[in-house]
Amino acid sequence: GENVEQHPSTLSVQEGDSAVIKCTYSDSASNYFPWYKQELGKRPQLIIDIRSNVGEKKDQRIAVTLNKTAKHFSLHITETQPEDSAVYFCAAASGGSQGNLIFGKGTKLSVKP
Amino acid sequence: DAGITQSPRHKVTETGTPVTLRCHQTENHRYMYWYRQDPGHGLRLIHYSYGVKDTDKGEVSDGYSVSRSKTEDFLLTLESATSSQTSVYFCAISESGQSEAFFGQGTRLTVV
Repeated sequence: GENVEQHPSTLSVQEGDSAVIKCTYSDSASNYFPWYKQELGKRPQLIIDIRSNVGEKKDQRIAVTLNKTAKHFSLHITETQPEDSAVYFCAAASGGSQGNLIFGKGTKLSVKP
Repeated sequence: DAGITQSPRHKVTETGTPVTLRCHQTENHRYMYWYRQDPGHGLRLIHYSYGVKDTDKGEVSDGYSVSRSKTEDFLLTLESATSSQTSVYFCAISESGQSEAFFGQGTRLTVV
């Protein structure tokens, strides 16, 4: 089955700096790659996603890139703000009618004012 | 917020007792998932469903069973709870297998 590796497990940056989180996946059939943000004590919420037919997607200060050949995808946050502090999860979903959604172990991002 | 409700929100139970967690949705989404969240392990998929009576195992299915007799409800059962099943359990729903998954509020289960 699918296996998703996520690095780093913790990341500390200064406010205004950029943050990059990287994930790799094992199943070449995976074709949907979402990123979730989970604030302390709350449920995970989608912040951006990308499909296998797209190499990059941006939404204001966040962007995701996908390299299908290497089977890795990354989250980029620019101009970080203290409210970006949270745990971020990448995930991969395989195609077909029985697709499941497998998550990485998460990255705890701390943005220092 | 998407219409997804988990019950109970908190539960303390004794080792060896059966426990059932309920996930209820009002969105008519086809896919439903059960995850457990533990420090250092992220979100691990227990079981998922891709339709009524259509379920499959996830990464950590041992000791858990599920049922989905109607679109809106997905039940997770711990047949005989163990301390290793102490965790926060999240249910999620999505329209397809490749679309946004919406999470419930979570259930904190403690097995003593």
